[in-house]
Amino acid sequence: NAGVMQNPRHLVRRRGQEARLRCSPMKGHSHVYWYRQLPEEGLKFMVYLQKENIIDESGMPKERFSAEFPKEGPSILRIQQVVRGDSAAYFCASSLQDGRNSPLHFGNGTRLTVT
Amino acid sequence: RKEVEQDPGPFNVPEGATVAFNCTYSNSASQSFFWYRQDCRKEPKLLMSVYSSGNEDGRFTAQLNRASQYISLLIRDSKLSDSATYLCVVNGAGTALIFGKGTTLSVSS
Repeated sequence: NAGVMQNPRHLVRRRGQEARLRCSPMKGHSHVYWYRQLPEEGLKFMVYLQKENIIDESGMPKERFSAEFPKEGPSILRIQQVVRGDSAAYFCASSLQDGRNSPLHFGNGTRLTVT
Repeated sequence: RKEVEQDPGPFNVPEGATVAFNCTYSNSASQSFFWYRQDCRKEPKLLMSVYSSGNEDGRFTAQLNRASQYISLLIRDSKLSDSATYLCVVNGAGTALIFGKGTTLSVSS
């Protein structure tokens, strides 16, 4: 039973380029969360999605960041016109139900470096 | 006041010691509480949920104090393998699960 799959593991982008991070949840999970972890910082909530719907995006920056979780395929976190401050580890987690009632299972993360 | 606050540590203890961590949260309406563990900034993993009456899982005991808005984690008979960062997690105002910055534990022989 495969766990949460994130790819790529490492992503290098130049300032101004776009970054696309993918997350395939565990089989049977329809709830997906995205978190960002800056060096020496904790995990910061970004967005919570359930198939085709954004449930809570209170942690998403207002500009350049977007997320989707289509009916078919992985969840995508998209960062347009990346800046150096976007360099971080981005973790995706999935759960069987709302994460308040069901454990979050995390992927290995995508380490984004903006040069 | 931050939504979820933890003492970053590090807590340095010998094998066999008992160690306790506290975590405070700001939202009095929070209903869901967890402890996760993160090793060397790898992916976090659920350690245990925290229930109102307190709960135990082997050497680990979690307690919730709603009046003072804090949760605690007690680790008995510490093992080398317990060395990690322990993350306190509380649900926020909406559906978001808010992570504390973590408390680092180092167990030495």
